[in-house]
Order: sequence, then C-alpha cells, then structure tokens
Amino acid sequence: AQSVTQLGSHVSVSEGALVLLRCNYSSSVPPYLFWYVQYPNQGLQLLLKYTSAATLVKGINGFEAEFKKSETSFHLTKPSAHMSDAAEYFCAVSVTGGGNKLTFGTGTQLKVEL
Amino acid sequence: KAGVTQTPRYLIKTRGQQVTLSCSPISGHRSVSWYQQTPGQGLQFLFEYFSETQRNKGNFPGRFSGRQFSNSRSEMNVSTLELGDSALYLCASSRTSAGGYNEQFFGPGTRLTVL
Repeated sequence: AQSVTQLGSHVSVSEGALVLLRCNYSSSVPPYLFWYVQYPNQGLQLLLKYTSAATLVKGINGFEAEFKKSETSFHLTKPSAHMSDAAEYFCAVSVTGGGNKLTFGTGTQLKVEL
Repeated sequence: KAGVTQTPRYLIKTRGQQVTLSCSPISGHRSVSWYQQTPGQGLQFLFEYFSETQRNKGNFPGRFSGRQFSNSRSEMNVSTLELGDSALYLCASSRTSAGGYNEQFFGPGTRLTVL
C-alpha cells in the first residue's frame, strides 16, 4: 500500500518569500505523485504531477517540485509567494494498476502575510 | 469545455435519512471517482466507476454505494446517515481507468451536513 506524509499542517510565509511544502511518500512500486491546491469552498486543482519522466516538475502558478527517490520526497516550492497562493495544498500518490485511486496526505494550509 | 459538475452543492439531512449525490463528468471522460473530505480524516477515496462498473473501492461501510450510468454520470448514495457522514464529497473524472496515471479533474463538491 502507498501513503503520503505532509510535514507541517500550517505554514506561514511572507509575501515574496520562498514557499516550501514538504511531502514524503511510501510506495512499494514506482509511484505517480501529484500536488493539488484547494481554495475555500472549492474542489481540488492539479498544480503539477510526476509520472516518471523528468524529476524536476514545473507546474502552474510558478510552482515546481522535485522527485527524490533516495529521500522518498516530493517537496513543493515556489521562489516568491503571492497573497493569492494562500490555500490548502495536498500531496497525493497513485500507482500503476491502482486505477484512479489517489491517496492523499493530510494537507498543508499555506498562509501568506504582508 | 464544461468541467465536472456536482449537484446539489449543499445538502442538509437528519440522522437516519438517506441521500443521493450526483456527478456529471467532463464530456468524453468515462471514469468517475468519489472522495470524502472531513477535517478529521482528510481526503479519503470512496470508490471509482468506469464503464458502469465499480473498479476500485475504499474502506467505507456498505451504507456508501454508487453507480454509473451509460452516459458516465455517476451517483453516490449514503443510507442511514450518521453525524460522522457530514463532509465535503468530491467527484473526479478522467478519460480512462488504466494504469496509475490518469489526470483527474475535480468538481466543486457537495457539502453534506447531517443533523
């Protein structure tokens, strides 16, 4: 079975500062990894995905993530936070043969302060 | 192209009742998955339907059921509602159900409150 651990349920950064949201995964087979963002009272929007191609993945809104197999990590970063980035972020994993089942982490609430 | 739509958006029920939620996938998408989101348990996979067949099931009691119609629209039903069923129910659609990577598109969810 696969699982995801997100360190830090709440992260606060200043506008313009680096955003770093941590995600570690566990999977017995090569995983597919995703980051989703959720704004209040909305569904989930895909930010980026790792599907065994390039280990550095660029997504929407300036976000990127690096797949590190040796560390079983897939941390999400953005060089400069914007007020509009305030939302909840979820890391998720799926595996080949697992159909479309996504296993999510517990989420990280990102707060951006002036 | 229209996104995933879910109806109703908000629902209030009382304990013991049953409820049916509906999800219309993106045109051309044949897979529909359902997730429950609660503050305590987070996002949990309920089940996935593809071509009217349940392909995958999460660890939920039999009170939670679903189905998919020939036009790929899906419904989920919760019988004998409990307070703990209060949650945001999210539906996601994708083109196929093969392999581990199929980009899924989420709807806005149905907020169910059980009193």
